[in-house]
Amino acid sequence: GAVVSQHPSWVICKSGTSVKIECRSLDFQATTMFWYRQFPKQSLMLMATSNEGSKATYEQGVEKDKFLINHASLTLSTLTVTSAHPEDSSFYICSAPGKQRREQYFGPGTRLTVT
Amino acid sequence: AQKITQTQPGMFVQEKEAVTLDCTYDTSDPSYGLFWYKQPSSGEMIFLIYQGSYDQQNATEGRYSLNFQKARKSANLVISASQLGDSAMYFCAMSYNYGGSQGNLIFGKGTKLSVKP
Repeated sequence: GAVVSQHPSWVICKSGTSVKIECRSLDFQATTMFWYRQFPKQSLMLMATSNEGSKATYEQGVEKDKFLINHASLTLSTLTVTSAHPEDSSFYICSAPGKQRREQYFGPGTRLTVT
Repeated sequence: AQKITQTQPGMFVQEKEAVTLDCTYDTSDPSYGLFWYKQPSSGEMIFLIYQGSYDQQNATEGRYSLNFQKARKSANLVISASQLGDSAMYFCAMSYNYGGSQGNLIFGKGTKLSVKP
């Protein structure tokens, strides 16, 4: 199956700093990528939809100025958490849909800890 | 609005026995897809099985089968011959379509499965 990578797999940053998470489709082109957030012992919640060449679409309650998404190419989407705070500590997972409906390729996730 | 409900926060099963994880869904869209994922402690989402709303037969993938009851809007996952490595969180999810494009998944709250030796 297709492969989606994420980098870094885990990151610790200080409160007030920014951190960038990369999501890459390694062997296919992804015009759309999805960013999910998962707090401990909870489910995955969609944060935003990243579209190549256009602005991202954010879910209600997600601050677009805090979570900057850039989808500059067909294989790369980035999520930048700006001015991170401890409450932003979470597991961030990206995914990209394939051509068939059963195809949803997930990255391995990035565990963010803000101290 | 689409919704996925998993009512079992935790389940225990004896090794080598079968276990059923429950999932019900709600949607007004006649075309949808249902997924089950396994999430071990590492966090990766491991695809287990998929069922399309128009599929006539229940999906099977090795030890996994999906008991799809469309009228009841349920999509239960059956794991046969449980193994210790099956201990993990299990999420039921539904694909959301908009404008005919492949959309994101909507997840249930998950069920934590523990396999006892």
